[in-house]
Amino acid sequence: GENVEQHPSTLSVQEGDSAVIKCTYSDSASNYFPWYKQELGKRPQLIIDIRSNVGEKKDQRIAVTLNKTAKHFSLHITETQPEDSAVYFCAASIPGNTPLVFGKGTRLSVIA
Amino acid sequence: KAGVTQTPRYLIKTRGQQVTLSCSPISGHRSVSWYQQTPGQGLQFLFEYFSETQRNKGNFPGRFSGRQFSNSRSEMNVSTLELGDSALYLCASSLLAGERGSYNEQFFGPGTRLTVL
Repeated sequence: GENVEQHPSTLSVQEGDSAVIKCTYSDSASNYFPWYKQELGKRPQLIIDIRSNVGEKKDQRIAVTLNKTAKHFSLHITETQPEDSAVYFCAASIPGNTPLVFGKGTRLSVIA
Repeated sequence: KAGVTQTPRYLIKTRGQQVTLSCSPISGHRSVSWYQQTPGQGLQFLFEYFSETQRNKGNFPGRFSGRQFSNSRSEMNVSTLELGDSALYLCASSLLAGERGSYNEQFFGPGTRLTVL
């Protein structure tokens, strides 16, 4: 089955700097890659996703890139703000009735 | 449109007891997935229900079970509770059935925090 590895497990950046979180997946059939943000005590919330027919997608200060050949995808957050501090999860999904497989999460701390 | 709701939000049980958690998906969503979240282990998939049928099951012991009702509401049950079952249990609902070519965009509920003493 699919396996998703996420790095780093913790990340500290200064406010205004960029943050990058990387994930690799094992099954080349995966075609959907969402990213979730979970603030302390709250539910995971979808912040951006990418399909396998797209190499990059941007939404204001966040972007996701996908390299199908290398089987990895990354989340980029620019101009980080304290409210970006949270745990971020990547996930991958194979087409059909299969569940999302999540990485173990990255705890991002933005230091003011 | 109301989001995914879960009840209860908090539970305290003792070893050996059983517990039932409830999840109401977003209106119109027919797929409900359950996850266990513990520190350091991320989100571990328990099972998924679609149209009252379990479609997928994760690698958890048989003490963990679930069901889905005709209105798409879902329950999960854990019997003979162990200390290691203490966790945040999240459910997520999805509109698309996951047929080939579709995508599995999921929306999470707030979770039920279970503490086993």
